[in-house]
Amino acid sequence: EEQLVESGGGLVQPGGSLRLSCAASGFIFSNYWMSWVRQAPGKGLEWVAYIQQDGGQKYYMDSVKGRFTISRDNAKNSLYLQMNSLRAEDTAVYYCARHRGSGTYYSLFDYWGQGTLVTVSS
Amino acid sequence: EIVMTQSPATLSASPGERATLSCRASQSVSSNLAWYQQKPGQAPRLLIYDASTRATGIPARFSGSGSVTEFTLTISSLQSEDFALYYCQQYNNWPPITFGQGTRLEIK
Repeated sequence: EEQLVESGGGLVQPGGSLRLSCAASGFIFSNYWMSWVRQAPGKGLEWVAYIQQDGGQKYYMDSVKGRFTISRDNAKNSLYLQMNSLRAEDTAVYYCARHRGSGTYYSLFDYWGQGTLVTVSS
Repeated sequence: EIVMTQSPATLSASPGERATLSCRASQSVSSNLAWYQQKPGQAPRLLIYDASTRATGIPARFSGSGSVTEFTLTISSLQSEDFALYYCQQYNNWPPITFGQGTRLEIK
């Protein structure tokens, strides 16, 4: 059974850093594109970042470019999101999500983790 | 950036009724459109992709239609477990991948 489990969320002060992790199991992790999607409290879904199977291609939403870095370790079946210079508006539940396949037109999300809450506040 | 607009923001309906949710794209997304259901405290669940293909395990009462810029999610006969938030998402032209703002389906 495919499973994604996030960890690493918590309370951090503005300007601080946090590293989120997502452990994948039940599928061949190295075959899939992956993304992080976030949801601010009471708000809708917002795509944050994507990474190709081998980590060679990455995209980010504009507001996190230069502050967040997505990475993966296929040997550990793990996805990461390094978040620096955090702002109050980054407060959200962060989900890791599997793309249904590899390719632009497979970039919908067929499996999601349960999410990890990041709160940026002083 | 492709902007996705869902309507209505809230839909009130009774169990057994038919529900129709709409999603409009600011430019063509062809049929590269997905629908998700989200219940409180849970992650989103994929319902429909490629505008009209049901995901694995999704009941037949859920159906999707449309193409280009206008899309519809129809729930033919509402069950109690269907009252939730619904989001559409385009994956035709990205980055960024974009979602609609959501439609809340509530019990009348």
